[in-house]
Amino acid sequence: GESVGLHLPTLSVQEGDNSIINCAYSNSASDYFIWYKQESGKGPQFIIDIRSNMDKRQGQRVTVLLNKTVKHLSLQIAATQPGDSAVYFCAENMNTGNQFYFGTGTSLTVIP
Amino acid sequence: NAGVTQTPKFQVLKTGQSMTLQCAQDMNHEYMSWYRQDPGMGLRLIHYSVGAGITDQGEVPNGYNVSRSTTEDFPLRLLSAAPSQTSVYFCASSYSNTGELFFGEGSRLTVL
Repeated sequence: GESVGLHLPTLSVQEGDNSIINCAYSNSASDYFIWYKQESGKGPQFIIDIRSNMDKRQGQRVTVLLNKTVKHLSLQIAATQPGDSAVYFCAENMNTGNQFYFGTGTSLTVIP
Repeated sequence: NAGVTQTPKFQVLKTGQSMTLQCAQDMNHEYMSWYRQDPGMGLRLIHYSVGAGITDQGEVPNGYNVSRSTTEDFPLRLLSAAPSQTSVYFCASSYSNTGELFFGEGSRLTVL
């Protein structure tokens, strides 16, 4: 299967600062990417997605950047809050496929 | 609208026992899938279905069976449980095979 990796397994930020979580993917044919947030004891929740025909997409306090040249995407969280503490996963999918491949996750801790 | 419902939430089995993890969704999603989550390994796809009567294998299908007799239900069967199947299992559904996945709350399985 394809691998999706994260550069940093853990990240600690001060409340109010911006957070950046990175993800590398290996399959150049992947054309759809999703970021998920998983709180302790719960299932992953959708945060934001991006298709390969875009470089950037913004949501509420979150921005995803996609760099197809180096097969890298990132999740930026503005004004990080204690409620943002969770594990964040990136997932990739090929439009012709039926499978999402997930990274191992980054644990974000927000320091009050 | 309950979303994706998994039962049981917790289960302890002895090696060699069989059991079924139940998954139901009320969003009329065609695509359903089962993942397992192990520490440090992210989410790995076990089996998936693109519609009633259609199932296929994911990354780690060995030791598991699935069926899809209705759009709503997608049970996961462990035929002869092994300690290596100790994990947290997540069921997910989507409008399509390339759309956002909606996850259940998870089922934590321990095999002794």
